[in-house]
Amino acid sequence: QVQLQESGPGLVKPSQTLSLTCTVSGGSISSGDYYWIWIRQPPGKGLEWIGYIFYNGNTYHNPSLKSRVSISVDTSKTQFSLNLSSVTAADTAFYYCARGRRYCSGGTCYWAWFDPWGQGTLVTVSS
Amino acid sequence: EILMTQSPATLSVSPGERATLSCRASQSVNNNLAWYQQKPGQAPRLLIYGTSTRATGVPARFSGSGSGAEFTLTITSLQSEDSAVYYCQQYNNWPQTFGQGTQVEIK
Repeated sequence: QVQLQESGPGLVKPSQTLSLTCTVSGGSISSGDYYWIWIRQPPGKGLEWIGYIFYNGNTYHNPSLKSRVSISVDTSKTQFSLNLSSVTAADTAFYYCARGRRYCSGGTCYWAWFDPWGQGTLVTVSS
Repeated sequence: EILMTQSPATLSVSPGERATLSCRASQSVNNNLAWYQQKPGQAPRLLIYGTSTRATGVPARFSGSGSGAEFTLTITSLQSEDSAVYYCQQYNNWPQTFGQGTQVEIK
């Protein structure tokens, strides 16, 4: 069964870069049936997607984060990573990685539901 | 971007009773809707996808229904371990979007 685990510093200084890695175990990270996601959740608030990386290496990020987001994949290590630059206190959140399912029906394919999720890691931005 | 609106924000239900959670999309998402459960201190967990298909290991007391832009998650015979925040998510249009969540409390 596939499991995901986030790792990285729990404290980042303002204006610095937040870097997290998600390690995937129990399955391939190269399958075209899946894509790989970063999501965050400020304490006590809702879910916000940060960005995705697809099996072909294409990435997409939330426009609200402008050009601060970079996502990459290392298939040899079955890991994918997030870099978020120029962080502020507003970036303090629980950060989750997850696997998304590519689902096709009636000739249309969807980048669909997220399952499983990593346990999450709290990143605090503070000096 | 499709806006997902959940209601109510908080639902208080007695053990053994039924809980009904609503999710409305700003436009049709066909049946491309999922539900997640998030317990305190935990990551969200997939409950339902395709509007009504339970994910592996999800108890039968959880059921999803609806179509188009109106969806419902029903928890029959609520148990104490069902206390959580429940989120709906549409994946019909990119980017996928979540509702703001419904907190289910046990009376």
